[in-house]
Amino acid sequence: GDSVTQMEGPVTLSEEAFLTINCTYTATGYPSLFWYVQYPGEGLQLLLKATKADDKGSNKGFEATYRKETTSFHLEKGSVQVSDSAVYFCALNGGGGNKLTFGTGTQLKVEL
Amino acid sequence: DGGITQSPKYLFRKEGQNVTLSCEQNLNHDAMYWYRQDPGQGLRLIYYSQIVNDFQKGDIAEGYSVSREKKESFPLTVTSAQKNPTAFYLCASSIRDREIEPQHFGDGTRLSIL
Repeated sequence: GDSVTQMEGPVTLSEEAFLTINCTYTATGYPSLFWYVQYPGEGLQLLLKATKADDKGSNKGFEATYRKETTSFHLEKGSVQVSDSAVYFCALNGGGGNKLTFGTGTQLKVEL
Repeated sequence: DGGITQSPKYLFRKEGQNVTLSCEQNLNHDAMYWYRQDPGQGLRLIYYSQIVNDFQKGDIAEGYSVSREKKESFPLTVTSAQKNPTAFYLCASSIRDREIEPQHFGDGTRLSIL
């Protein structure tokens, strides 16, 4: 079945540092890929998505590129802020009822 | 503004009691979902519904029940058969049969045992 593997957290960075959160997936066919963000006590918000190979999703300074050859969708940001502190989830939709398969989430802490 | 409303935000259950979590959406989405979130385990799918009057079990449906009598509403009942109900519950909705479209989430209900 489909699966998503994310790097374990927490990831602790200083403000203005470069961020990478790794995400790899296993799926049959050509899934759509998503990054969601969850702030404390809240639901998930869509951060960005990519729906086919080599697509780059971007939003609020975050980027991720759909790499079919390495089955990866790593999240990057050039300069993180304290306000980026949250839990980040990688997810895929392999079809068959719009069901999402989530990674376990990666907590990011950004310090001054 | 369109969105998903979950209520209550916090809920307490006594032993042997059933409780119902509310989820309402005004996004005109056909598909709705319930997830359970435990620390360090990501989100696990409890039930989902693609259309009114139809729903399917997800990965962890035991001890839960749902109904889908209206397009806008997808309540989740946590029954007394669910022995470890303490968790954060998230409801989501999406356009049906469009895997390129994301799911939209509510702000969750945190359920605790008294």
